[in-house]
Amino acid sequence: AQKITQTQPGMFVQEKEAVTLDCTYDTSDPSYGLFWYKQPSSGEMIFLIYQGSYDQQNATEGRYSLNFQKARKSANLVISASQLGDSAMYFCAMREGDLNRDDKIIFGKGTRLHILP
Amino acid sequence: SAVISQKPSRDICQRGTSLTIQCQVDSQVTMMFWYRQQPGQSLTLIATANQGSEATYESGFVIDKFPISRPNLTFSTLTVSNMSPEDSSIYLCSVGANTGELFFGEGSRLTVL
Repeated sequence: AQKITQTQPGMFVQEKEAVTLDCTYDTSDPSYGLFWYKQPSSGEMIFLIYQGSYDQQNATEGRYSLNFQKARKSANLVISASQLGDSAMYFCAMREGDLNRDDKIIFGKGTRLHILP
Repeated sequence: SAVISQKPSRDICQRGTSLTIQCQVDSQVTMMFWYRQQPGQSLTLIATANQGSEATYESGFVIDKFPISRPNLTFSTLTVSNMSPEDSSIYLCSVGANTGELFFGEGSRLTVL
C-alpha cells in the first residue's frame, strides 16, 4: 500500500529565505508520480509541481523545485526566496503506476508554512 | 486544464438529514474522484466514480453512507446520508489531467449541527 509521510506539521520561515518541506513516501510499484499542492486559507487546491519516478532530473517550476532522492524515497519541496503569499498548507501526494489521469492520488497530512515579514 | 464547478459551495445541515453535492466538469472525463477534508486535516479519498459503473469506495467509506451517481462523462453527485457532526468537512470533487495531476473543484463546505 502506498504511503506519504510529512513530518513537519508547521514551519515558520523569514521572508526571502529558502524553505524545504519534507516528504517521504513508500511504495512497491517501480512506477509512480509525486505531486505537491498548495492550499491557502481560501481552501482551493493549487497544483505546484510533479516528479515522475523515472525522471532523471529534479523537477522545477519557477521558485519551486523538487529534491527527489529515489533511494531514500524522499521528495522534498524547496521554495526559493519565500514570499508572504507562500503562507499556506502544503500537501505532498503520490500516484502509483504510470502517469494515468484515471488513477487515484493519495495525500500526506500536510505542512502549514508561515512566512514571517 | 479542466474547470470544475461544485454546488453547494457551503451548507449548514441538521443531524440525520442528507445532502447531495453536485460536480460539473467542462470536459468529458472517465474518472471523477471525491475527497473529504475534515477540519485541519488532509484530503482523504472517498471513492472513484466511473461513468456507467458503480463507484469504487476506499476503506472506511461505504455506499450506504456516501452514495455516488455518475450519469455521464461530465457530471457526478455525492450524497452524504444521515449526517452527524462528524461529517462536517469540505468535500472536493476532482478529475485527472492528461499530465497526471488532479484538478479540484472549489469544494463544498458542510457543517452539521
